[in-house]
Amino acid sequence: GAVVSQHPSWVICKSGTSVKIECRSLDFQATTMFWYRQFPKQSLMLMATSNEGSKATYEQGVEKDKFLINHASLTLSTLTVTSAHPEDSSFYICSATMYGSSNQPQHFGDGTRLSIL
Amino acid sequence: QQQVKQSPQSLIVQKGGISIINCAYENTAFDYFPWYQQFPGKGPALLIAIRPDVSEKKEGRFTISFNKSAKQFSLHIMDSQPGDSATYFCAASRPGGTSYGKLTFGQGTILTVHP
Repeated sequence: GAVVSQHPSWVICKSGTSVKIECRSLDFQATTMFWYRQFPKQSLMLMATSNEGSKATYEQGVEKDKFLINHASLTLSTLTVTSAHPEDSSFYICSATMYGSSNQPQHFGDGTRLSIL
Repeated sequence: QQQVKQSPQSLIVQKGGISIINCAYENTAFDYFPWYQQFPGKGPALLIAIRPDVSEKKEGRFTISFNKSAKQFSLHIMDSQPGDSATYFCAASRPGGTSYGKLTFGQGTILTVHP
């Protein structure tokens, strides 16, 4: 099946640091990637949608300057949390899908647990 | 109108029993309904999905039942096993426009299967 790799799986850093998370589709070309945030025992909250070669579309309430998304190739998207603070601590998950129809399944990475001290 | 409501919030089942999780939606434009399984510290994994032109889909021990008129769909896990203990999410998406391919997730159900 389709494989999405997310790196790193866990990161701890000091407040004010910027953190980059990578999401790679290993065996298919992902025209669209999604970034989610998940708090403990809660559902996934979509943060943004990124299409290869174009600017990301952010959901309402998500700060574009805080969460920088780049989708430079069909196999790689990155999320950079800039000047991270303790309230940014969360589980960040990416997913990838192929263009075609809304019925193309999303394949998820294993998430990145971000802890800001 | 974009919400997908999932119930129950948590479910305890004995080994060998049937686990049933229900979801309801409002937006009739939704045309794709997947179920995801998530273990702690992992990303969701696609279990099974259905389109509204069929009323039931079965894959192994997992079955989706879909009621278009009631705008409801459910996941049935037959012969539930302790290894099925996880959080299950239903989701829905619709074609076209700015919502292309976006999934709307239910709130999740924590399933515990006792040996």
